[in-house]
Amino acid sequence: DAGITQSPRHKVTETGTPVTLRCHQTENHRYMYWYRQDPGHGLRLIHYSYGVKDTDKGEVSDGYSVSRSKTEDFLLTLESATSSQTSVYFCAIGLAGGDEQYFGPGTRLTVT
Amino acid sequence: GQQLNQSPQSMFIQEGEDVSMNCTSSSIFNTWLWYKQDPGEGPVLLIALYKAGELTSNGRLTAQFGITRKDSFLNISASIPSDVGIYFCAGRGGSNYKLTFGKGTLLTVNP
Repeated sequence: DAGITQSPRHKVTETGTPVTLRCHQTENHRYMYWYRQDPGHGLRLIHYSYGVKDTDKGEVSDGYSVSRSKTEDFLLTLESATSSQTSVYFCAIGLAGGDEQYFGPGTRLTVT
Repeated sequence: GQQLNQSPQSMFIQEGEDVSMNCTSSSIFNTWLWYKQDPGEGPVLLIALYKAGELTSNGRLTAQFGITRKDSFLNISASIPSDVGIYFCAGRGGSNYKLTFGKGTLLTVNP
């Protein structure tokens, strides 16, 4: 257990509404990541963080923003949710310079 | 960007059989990892590999870091029903902090 929690675990929202997903870790790890998982695409990196207020884009960052104001929390925001953002979102923490990543339980987001 | 080709996409085997799956890349990777994901849960790290040629075991699982650094293999011996799930390979190439994931191998074990 890497001490990672995600909230909410399930959410249904309407197109055009803002949504924020939270990832919380208890062990002060430097690296944190947000992925989305979709059938046929596997896990794709949205954004990642290598320290407080240090973030960078992944391969599918359009439509998403992140914030990390303290070590333990990494927030993912969908500014205006679209149906294409219906997915399962996973947060991960990275050890060994980010090489070994440990995942949270996921958030299932449905945009109607 | 970097891509990983994972095969096979799915496997259906009998309990007790051995299983092999692999992952290949067109570019060199410095780290290879193997994960397992059960339905409704996040992926769980099984094995991490850091050196070309490295062979590492975790119980009935054995993984190898290919000598060319462009591939990795996972073997499961004497499969049991709880081995069912999706197995993902992942690797880190030149980019710091970031992993690239394969699309997964769905393993079904018939009791």
